[in-house]
Amino acid sequence: EDQVTQSPEALRLQEGESSSLNCSYTVSGLRGLFWYRQDPGKGPEFLFTLYSAGEEKEKERLKATLTKKESFLHITAPKPEDSATYLCAVQVNTGTASKLTFGTGTRLQVTL
Amino acid sequence: NAGVTQTPKFQVLKTGQSMTLQCAQDMNHNSMYWYRQDPGMGLRLIYYSASEGTTDKGEVPNGYNVSRLNKREFSLRLESAAPSQTSVYFCASSSSDRGPYEQYFGPGTRLTVT
Repeated sequence: EDQVTQSPEALRLQEGESSSLNCSYTVSGLRGLFWYRQDPGKGPEFLFTLYSAGEEKEKERLKATLTKKESFLHITAPKPEDSATYLCAVQVNTGTASKLTFGTGTRLQVTL
Repeated sequence: NAGVTQTPKFQVLKTGQSMTLQCAQDMNHNSMYWYRQDPGMGLRLIYYSASEGTTDKGEVPNGYNVSRLNKREFSLRLESAAPSQTSVYFCASSSSDRGPYEQYFGPGTRLTVT
């Protein structure tokens, strides 16, 4: 059974304090790994897609990396506006369709 | 571009009532999806439509039906609502289901069944 586990469940950082969020996965036939940001009361917002081990993607203060078993979302010098829940999802091929399996997310709070 | 839109934003139903959640996308995407999000459970796929004219069950389809009305619109129907269907429902779309293509999400419908 495909599994995606995110840690920690919640993280509180001070502004400027860098850290990493973890997404570990157990799947067969990984096609891609996705990171999303979700603000309270809103839908998930797409951030990155990673396709293969060793790949890295960056956007402003965020950098996503991928290994064969896990992905990290590194947040450098975060600001209060980075506060959100960050979701990880994997896409695998099952027969004729690709489906997303989501983790339960990491709730990030950045304070002044 | 509005992206993915959903109506209504909020709904309260009594047990046994029925309703249809509407979703539309203006990105010319082929594939559309319905998810529910519950605390501690993550997003779970209810139904999806790989392309216009096709629909298929996801992880948690019981109690729901869907209609792919055309390429733009994909509706989710609750025939006889139950308290266990209290959740936040999200519609999403992607250019194809063959992947890996990112999915774009709507703002959600918050449903309470009493």
